[in-house]
Amino acid sequence: QLQLQESGPGLVKPSETLSLTCVVSGVSISSSSYYWGWIRQPPGKGLEWIGSIYYSGGTYYNPSLKSRVTISVDTSKNQFSLKLNSVTAADTAVYYCGRPFWSGSHYYFDYWGQGTLVTVSS
Amino acid sequence: QSVLTQPPSASGTPGQRVTISCSGSNSNIGSNPVNWYQQLPGTAPKLLIYSNNQRPSGVPDRFSGSKPGTSASLAISGLQSEDEADYYCAAWDDSLSGYVFGTGTKVTVL
Repeated sequence: QLQLQESGPGLVKPSETLSLTCVVSGVSISSSSYYWGWIRQPPGKGLEWIGSIYYSGGTYYNPSLKSRVTISVDTSKNQFSLKLNSVTAADTAVYYCGRPFWSGSHYYFDYWGQGTLVTVSS
Repeated sequence: QSVLTQPPSASGTPGQRVTISCSGSNSNIGSNPVNWYQQLPGTAPKLLIYSNNQRPSGVPDRFSGSKPGTSASLAISGLQSEDEADYYCAAWDDSLSGYVFGTGTKVTVL
C-alpha cells in the first residue's frame, strides 16, 4: 500500500527558505512511471496546487509560485522534496505531498500524505 | 485565488439529496475532466470522484458526479452524518498549465 509522509521544520523565518521532504513507502519512485506533487492549504482556507515532478525529473509548477519553487526527486532515498524561497506570512499553511495520476487530460491526486503545518514567523 | 467557483455552504437533513456546483471556464472544466475531493475535519483531502463521474474503490455509490459544459456537479444522495465535510472540485487548466481547485463547499448535516 502506497504511503506518503511529510517532514520538515514547522517554523520558518520570513525571507528564508521553506524545505520539506516527502518519504514514499510501498512503491519505488525510480521504478514507477508516476508523478509526485505538493499541495498547500492556509489555515481555514482552500487548497492550492504547488507543482508536480515526474520520477525522472520533469517539473510543472503553479505559475503564481514558479519563481520561488523547486521540487526535486531523490531516488536513492525514495523521497521527493519541496523548496520555497523568500517566504512570507502568506506562505503559512498545511503542506501536503501526494501522488497525482496523470494520463492525457486526466490528472488527479489519488494518494495524499497526512500534511504538515508550516508557520512563517520571526 | 481559485478559478473554479463553488457555493460556500450546503446543507440537508439525513436521507436528503444535496448537490454542489462547480463553475469554471473553457480552459479548465470545459476542456478537461473534473475531480472531487472530500476533506473531513482535521484530515487530509481524499479523492471522492475522478474523471467527472468515476468513484475510487471504497467510495459509496451515494456520491455521484456530472459535468454539463463548463460546470460540474457533485450529488450526495441519502445524506449521512459522516458526510459532513468540505468538498472541493478540481481540474487541469490549459491556460495556466496547472491544476486548479474550487473554492470549496462546507456540507452540514442538520
